[in-house]
Amino acid sequence: DTEVTQTPKHLVMGMTNKKSLKCEQHMGHRAMYWYKQKAKKPPELMFVYSYEKLSINESVPSRFSPECPNSSLLNLHLHALQPEDSALYLCASSQGDKGQKLFFGSGTQLSVL
Amino acid sequence: GNSVTQMEGPVTLSEEAFLTINCTYTATGYPSLFWYVQYPGEGLQLLLKATKADDKGSNKGFEATYRKETTSFHLEKGSVQVSDSAVYFCALIRAAGNKLTFGGGTRVLVKP
Repeated sequence: DTEVTQTPKHLVMGMTNKKSLKCEQHMGHRAMYWYKQKAKKPPELMFVYSYEKLSINESVPSRFSPECPNSSLLNLHLHALQPEDSALYLCASSQGDKGQKLFFGSGTQLSVL
Repeated sequence: GNSVTQMEGPVTLSEEAFLTINCTYTATGYPSLFWYVQYPGEGLQLLLKATKADDKGSNKGFEATYRKETTSFHLEKGSVQVSDSAVYFCALIRAAGNKLTFGGGTRVLVKP
């Protein structure tokens, strides 16, 4: 299994909603990542978990809250988002946390109304 | 800091044409270099990589050589197909780091 699986594929939410994005991998990777990608732009790093501990937070607003329940799962909890948060949210994983290639999921396309 | 610059698109080609996408980088030390491809509606897939100077990465007919003297990692393919239409991202990661730095992406459109 060489896949990173993200659910849901599409999500529409209002600014007062609470929702969660989910990511799962079964490759035994010990680092997992959240990226945000706006249309026609490269992905921007949001968070990195290394061995289930948050190692990088790229000054992301607190309305985005990551969680790593175990080494295979990564969640992104969303609350009180703004329309400008609409984007493709990509999860990725890597075997280690030093200079490794990343495996990406297909993403969740989020629209905030 | 680290940065990656790649040619802006879109690049429009006919099938079987030669493709080159230029990529240059700025980084301290000896980063690993990558090309990722993003097909419409999908996430990113690793296309190829090189981890040290003069390494050549290759996959699916694409090639790129790590040139430290020119700080470049240009992507080439000798004969493109319609199915190669996608956005291509050049990226680097420091040897001891876990943060991937992307270029701006180059959209390639191959017409039959």
